[in-house]
Amino acid sequence: AQSVAQPEDQVNVAEGNPLTVKCTYSVSGNPYLFWYVQYPNRGLQFLLKYITGDNLVKGSYGFEAEFNKSQTSFHLKKPSALVSDSALYFCAVRDSDRGSTLGRLYFGRGTQLTVWP
Amino acid sequence: DTGVSQDPRHKITKRGQNVTFRCDPISEHNRLYWYRQTLGQGPEFLTYFQNEAQLEKSRLLSDRFSAERPKGSFSTLEIQRTEQGDSAMYLCASSLAPPTGDSDTQYFGPGTRLTVL
Repeated sequence: AQSVAQPEDQVNVAEGNPLTVKCTYSVSGNPYLFWYVQYPNRGLQFLLKYITGDNLVKGSYGFEAEFNKSQTSFHLKKPSALVSDSALYFCAVRDSDRGSTLGRLYFGRGTQLTVWP
Repeated sequence: DTGVSQDPRHKITKRGQNVTFRCDPISEHNRLYWYRQTLGQGPEFLTYFQNEAQLEKSRLLSDRFSAERPKGSFSTLEIQRTEQGDSAMYLCASSLAPPTGDSDTQYFGPGTRLTVL
């Protein structure tokens, strides 16, 4: 069964410092992996995805994520955090089996990122 | 604005009443998804459509829930005889269908927050 774990409920980092938000996953086939960000009382905003190819993917607002198949991880990173990055971050996975009709995403519980000035 | 829209943004109802939510996807997207998000959790899949066909339903979608997409454009989610446990954010997302490019990315609307008193 597909699942996602975000081991940290909260991550706190000083502005200008690098940040990492962790994600591990479990799927039966090859994973499609996603990161979304949610601001208060808002829907989810797409940041980046890994489908195939280069293990390091770059996304919006300077974020990037590294796919590590052996560790089944897809950690979100940013070299220099901004106060405006403070939000709730969700990792999601779906199975790559294009032969199925399954379209659902499986989400982690989310990690609250706080960047302090 | 060409993103996913949802209406209403907020709904307060009394237990036992019926409620209906509407989702308008991005215009060229033929897949439409419904998710439910409760406090402190990631979104959980409810159902999805490709055009007007409902292709998958989660076991979370009890017989009190029904979703339609009659013309393959907007969708409605109805909850009958609401219960306090139905209080949540209901999120709609849309995507292209394979093999179209970027078919893997789901774009979310702002959500409808339901409170059942």
